[in-house]
Amino acid sequence: ILNVEQSPQSLHVQEGDSTNFTCSFPSSNFYALHWYRWETAKSPEALFVMTLNGDEKKKGRISATLNTKEGYSYLYIKGSQPEDSATYLCAFRNNAGNMLTFGGGTRLMVKP
Amino acid sequence: GAGVSQSPRYKVAKRGQDVALRCDPISGHVSLFWYQQALGQGPEFLTYFQNEAQLDKSGLPSDRFFAERPEGSVSTLKIQRTQQEDSAVYLCASSSVFSREVYGYTFGSGTRLTVV
Repeated sequence: ILNVEQSPQSLHVQEGDSTNFTCSFPSSNFYALHWYRWETAKSPEALFVMTLNGDEKKKGRISATLNTKEGYSYLYIKGSQPEDSATYLCAFRNNAGNMLTFGGGTRLMVKP
Repeated sequence: GAGVSQSPRYKVAKRGQDVALRCDPISGHVSLFWYQQALGQGPEFLTYFQNEAQLDKSGLPSDRFFAERPEGSVSTLKIQRTQQEDSAVYLCASSSVFSREVYGYTFGSGTRLTVV
């Protein structure tokens, strides 16, 4: 069983605050780490696919870093907006197949 | 279509009833996955198809769960004799070999199944 953990489980911030959350995953047999953003009643939306140790990716105000040796990734949101309110999921893929193993998600709520 | 389409969006089933959930993947995507997301948890893998071949069904929780993709496009997840613990959101995702390496998997909006 692959263990993918996310913290915190939920987070309330004020509009304009910057925030970050963590995903930890197995450090062996690493292939890729995915981040998804999932708003209620919508489809999970792919944010990043990260493959290289030390990788840093950015999309607008959202960025992510990857440490495959120690098995963690951080997702950062700069200047949170109410529309950033969603559940952020990370998913680990090992080199044995195409399946993703998801963490439990971090539910972000941004208050105006 | 432009995205992955799942139907129905919502399904209420009486305990013991059989249900069938449909997934229309993006045209040309060879890989198709089913995930189950229980309340408060992350999605859990159920099964994986490459074209019409079911390559991994290790996540199916019991023999009441059955999935098929007979022509390598549309897939159906069938649950027989539904139980309350089957209540969850069922997500379908598809990808091409190229897209999953660069963009990740494309998910549908899910089917929310409630067994009463």
